[in-house]
Amino acid sequence: NAGVTQTPKFQVLKTGQSMTLQCAQDMNHEYMSWYRQDPGMGLRLIHYSVGAGITDQGEVPNGYNVSRSTTEDFPLRLLSAAPSQTSVYFCASSYSRSSATYEQYFGPGTRLTVT
Amino acid sequence: KQEVTQIPAALSVPEGENLVLNCSFTDSAIYNLQWFRQDPGKGLTSLLLIQSSQREQTSGRLNASLDKSSGRSTLYIAASQPGDSATYLCAVVEGYKLSFGAGTTVTVRA
Repeated sequence: NAGVTQTPKFQVLKTGQSMTLQCAQDMNHEYMSWYRQDPGMGLRLIHYSVGAGITDQGEVPNGYNVSRSTTEDFPLRLLSAAPSQTSVYFCASSYSRSSATYEQYFGPGTRLTVT
Repeated sequence: KQEVTQIPAALSVPEGENLVLNCSFTDSAIYNLQWFRQDPGKGLTSLLLIQSSQREQTSGRLNASLDKSSGRSTLYIAASQPGDSATYLCAVVEGYKLSFGAGTTVTVRA
């Protein structure tokens, strides 16, 4: 049971390039989400998914695209990278323990630098 | 919009001292509150999850309390050790979405 995995661990992009950050989970969790972490700001929600084929925007969605074709995978696409997207990106999955309790599991993160 | 605040941003204590980490939130209509630990350059490790119907949760030397009416949670770490040095994040759980504080970075001096 690998939990939540993310690739790559590190990436350097030039402004204007596109790329996809990969996220996979093997726990059969319904819910998956992407966060970015910037110094002094905590983690902010980019996009999330409540199941295969269903995605929605979070707090900071601009410049990012997602899709969820399977329960296991939730890739994050940067359409045209900008220096403001330099950050650490975390993928998370969660399940509902009970009707009102959701427990979150996080991947190890991808450190992205845009020059 | 939920606002989550953690004060102080950084804390340094001698080994053996008890740690008290604070988290406040603006909207009390929360599902749960979750505390995480983050080591430098690493991901998040879940420490404790407090359900909205609970007032506290304990695991070993860790105890977390939740007071929804005042919008506060406190994480207590008893008899701190150098290995407790890390950043501690609290997050308000609203369904499957989390709103995070910026964290408190703890240094335990040997």
